[in-house]
Amino acid sequence: DAKTTQPTSMDCAEGRAANLPCNHSTISGNEYVYWYRQIHSQGPQYIIHGLKNNETNEMASLIITEDRKSSTLILPHATLRDTAVYYCIVRGPISGNTGKLIFGQGTTLQVKP
Amino acid sequence: DVKVTQSSRYLVKRTGEKVFLECVQDMDHENMFWYRQDPGLGLRLIYFSYDVKMKEKGDIPEGYSVSREKKERFSLILESASTNQTSMYLCASSQPWEGEGGNYGYTFGSGTRLTVV
Repeated sequence: DAKTTQPTSMDCAEGRAANLPCNHSTISGNEYVYWYRQIHSQGPQYIIHGLKNNETNEMASLIITEDRKSSTLILPHATLRDTAVYYCIVRGPISGNTGKLIFGQGTTLQVKP
Repeated sequence: DVKVTQSSRYLVKRTGEKVFLECVQDMDHENMFWYRQDPGLGLRLIYFSYDVKMKEKGDIPEGYSVSREKKERFSLILESASTNQTSMYLCASSQPWEGEGGNYGYTFGSGTRLTVV
């Protein structure tokens, strides 16, 4: 699986958009980008995933660059409850059958009042 | 609501005890996983299973074993608990890769915080 690089920490003002970047320059053509978040003392929670196109759901938007070497998770109106560690992960058919995901250190997002 | 349920939220055990951590999923997922999470080390894969009675070692299997007798249940066993196994243990499940368009993300349980004294 391709490795990912994320900033260690970020701050965001409550009500503003939070933009979390992820670099995955060695991603293969058939590998997906997944985002999870982990609120303190809970299990990680799936947020969104994508292959090539931008994706949006009720939680967030995912913007993937045309060359697919990086992506950005956007929380459009961050709230205090969005304070968490955000993980960007790449997954594809090579690991598909066993489904092994490799979690990096993630980005700690602090939403401030 | 689909779920991965871990039997205990908090557990305290003594050194040398045999410890069972249970995980049950109701999504009919093929794959199940056990991770441990420690400050500064992130999530590390202990064992995983891609079918009933099948198991494979992850990155840190030493001191652990697993059992998967039924599709929905995946148990992590600490044969003789030690203090360095004090950690947060997370169970997850997912579907195997079946081609583009599916969601093969993990669903995690809430975790079991194990303290070995």
